[in-house]
Amino acid sequence: ETGVTQTPRHLVMGMTNKKSLKCEQHLGHNAMYWYKQSAKKPLELMFVYSLEERVENNSVPSRFSPECPNSSHLFLHLHTLQPEDSALYLCASSPSMGRGTEAFFGQGTRLTVV
Amino acid sequence: AQTVTQSQPEMSVQDAETVTLSCTYDTSENNYYLFWYKQPPSRQMILVIRQEAYKQQNATENRFSVNFQKAAKSFSLKISDSQLGDTAMYFCAFMKLPNYGGSQGNLIFGKGTKLSVKP
Repeated sequence: ETGVTQTPRHLVMGMTNKKSLKCEQHLGHNAMYWYKQSAKKPLELMFVYSLEERVENNSVPSRFSPECPNSSHLFLHLHTLQPEDSALYLCASSPSMGRGTEAFFGQGTRLTVV
Repeated sequence: AQTVTQSQPEMSVQDAETVTLSCTYDTSENNYYLFWYKQPPSRQMILVIRQEAYKQQNATENRFSVNFQKAAKSFSLKISDSQLGDTAMYFCAFMKLPNYGGSQGNLIFGKGTKLSVKP
């Protein structure tokens, strides 16, 4: 248990649905991240939030919309996804952005788009 | 741009034996961090070991140690006395040191090596 909790663990959604992934940490960390993990590909960084401000958006399609209402919570809102968006979505947090600090990962949400 | 390469998609080792996982990276940076993360079948990624590029001494953490060759941009992980619980995906990752502007704190991952420890 790393202290980072993601819900739901599994999600199946149609291409016209709207859903949200939730990530929560009570470790007092200031930075939170969304990663996408697809089969046979490296983990792809999607978004970075530092002190609730988005500081990185790695050319992610607009059908993915992050939200960081406070330093403990991070959401990923999904709408009109494509089958190729099916993947494991990992949330992570770290005490601060960079500085070689350890990132703590959640268990991920396995997303299937049908 | 930084890249991380793990050339071994899968490996296996007998328990109690030693195994080495390879990782190479490409960067023009002089100061950075390198990590090995483990992702067991339960999926939660955890840190195994960390190396600061400015340190010449190889990091060790119990049965885990690294062979850091900065000039060769190589960062291999050695697992001694392998245990069944070491079965997992292992990811090598690179992180730039923070500077004024540019990407900070972003872990760049390799594709991973699936390690199976056999009884």
